[in-house]
Amino acid sequence: DIVMTQSPDSLAVPLGERATLNCKSSQSVLYSSNNKNYLAWYQQKAGQPPKLLIYWASIRDSGVPDRFSGSGSGTDFTLTISSLQAEDVAVYYCQQYYSSPDTFGPGTKLEIK
Amino acid sequence: EVQLVQSGAEVKKPGESLKISCKTSGYRFTSYWIGWVRQMSGKGLEWMGIIYPGDSDTRYSPSFQGQVTISADESISSAYLQWSSLKASDTAMYYCARQRGDSHIEYWGQGTLVTVSS
Repeated sequence: DIVMTQSPDSLAVPLGERATLNCKSSQSVLYSSNNKNYLAWYQQKAGQPPKLLIYWASIRDSGVPDRFSGSGSGTDFTLTISSLQAEDVAVYYCQQYYSSPDTFGPGTKLEIK
Repeated sequence: EVQLVQSGAEVKKPGESLKISCKTSGYRFTSYWIGWVRQMSGKGLEWMGIIYPGDSDTRYSPSFQGQVTISADESISSAYLQWSSLKASDTAMYYCARQRGDSHIEYWGQGTLVTVSS
């Protein structure tokens, strides 16, 4: 199985500041034939199911605010929130779907400082 | 509008059987994969397995192979997750999710809390 790791475990950022969350896979999730990174980011607020934010490493899902952006390739990925809002408090998970079984990272808990 | 509506919370005893459901609407049921994800209390997400209702192709994570059964009923656009003999360690929230083949999860159900306790 591909092992996903995320850093930091938790992060406190002042309102309006940038938040940077990292995700690393134990092997590349870049499929060379289509040059796509098989990686997604999800946001899970307390008491709610996860919500898709980013897929193919950098494509924002419909309706996701543009302060959220995804970057990276191969084994190292980043989710950036350019200006943190109160409603962004949540746990963020990355997921690889390059090879079965799909696997999630352990999550990064994002809070307001 | 795509919707995945899961069955209600369950409280069971160890050794009992259980089948929880995920009723879908708003799209062609046989054209997308439906997967199941476990979340134990205060923990992260674990992908359990997936089924393609179009041909019943089913894949399991090795961690869950033999522990659960995933099925689907095309006639009522519903997917199922079942246990033949529950353990206390099966206590968790279970989410169904619509997933494109070899791709990300697009939509999630609201979750079904399963509690197994003597």
